Amino acid sequence: SQQGEEDPQALSIQEGENATMNCSYKTSINNLQWYRQNSGRGLVHLILIRSNEREKHSGRLRVTLDTSKKSSSLLITASRAADTASYFCATARSGNTGKLIFGQGTTLQVKP
Amino acid sequence: EAQVTQNPRYLITVTGKKLTVTCSQNMNHEYMSWYRQDPGLGLRQIYYSMNVEVTDKGDVPEGYKVSRKEKRNFPLILESPSPNQTSLYFCASRRGGDSSGNTIYFGEGSWLTVV
Repeated sequence: SQQGEEDPQALSIQEGENATMNCSYKTSINNLQWYRQNSGRGLVHLILIRSNEREKHSGRLRVTLDTSKKSSSLLITASRAADTASYFCATARSGNTGKLIFGQGTTLQVKP
Repeated sequence: EAQVTQNPRYLITVTGKKLTVTCSQNMNHEYMSWYRQDPGLGLRQIYYSMNVEVTDKGDVPEGYKVSRKEKRNFPLILESPSPNQTSLYFCASRRGGDSSGNTIYFGEGSWLTVV
């Protein structure tokens, strides 16, 4: 079964608004990563947060991690039309040899 | 430029005709992996390799084979493709074999249709 599950599955907002996507997982993790995928293209790594971190920023991206709730959120501030893409969380389990398990993704549409 | 290169990018083939999707990375990464992406199912790992001559099954290995004879290459082999293997395939690589958080680099994907 999928380790990470994103919520919502689809999100449509206006340019300039903030977009928040959530990810829940089931087992103890070493780290959690967020990836972006433009339609039909490869995934691009956005940000990684380790299990001992609670919040991380990168440009307009803000990621939080709550290990007690086994959840993470990705916030994109001041969204742009170019942010339109699918966003995936991926978890690396504790003690694992390196396998990342991906959620099904959130499809974000930012309307100009 | 750091790259993971897959070929072919697009392929339509017939049931039972063996095919190979090649994957090559230029970053001297130890870890390489194959995923397939299907609507509603997300990315699922097919096989992975921790280093040369070290491969292991992922979540959906049935119908696939891999080899890792050289560090840079990790081909995916479909010995007898079937229509349920129609999918978008991604190769990925990463430095190191642990889950410390090294970035995974993905190829651009290979669209495979089996008729």
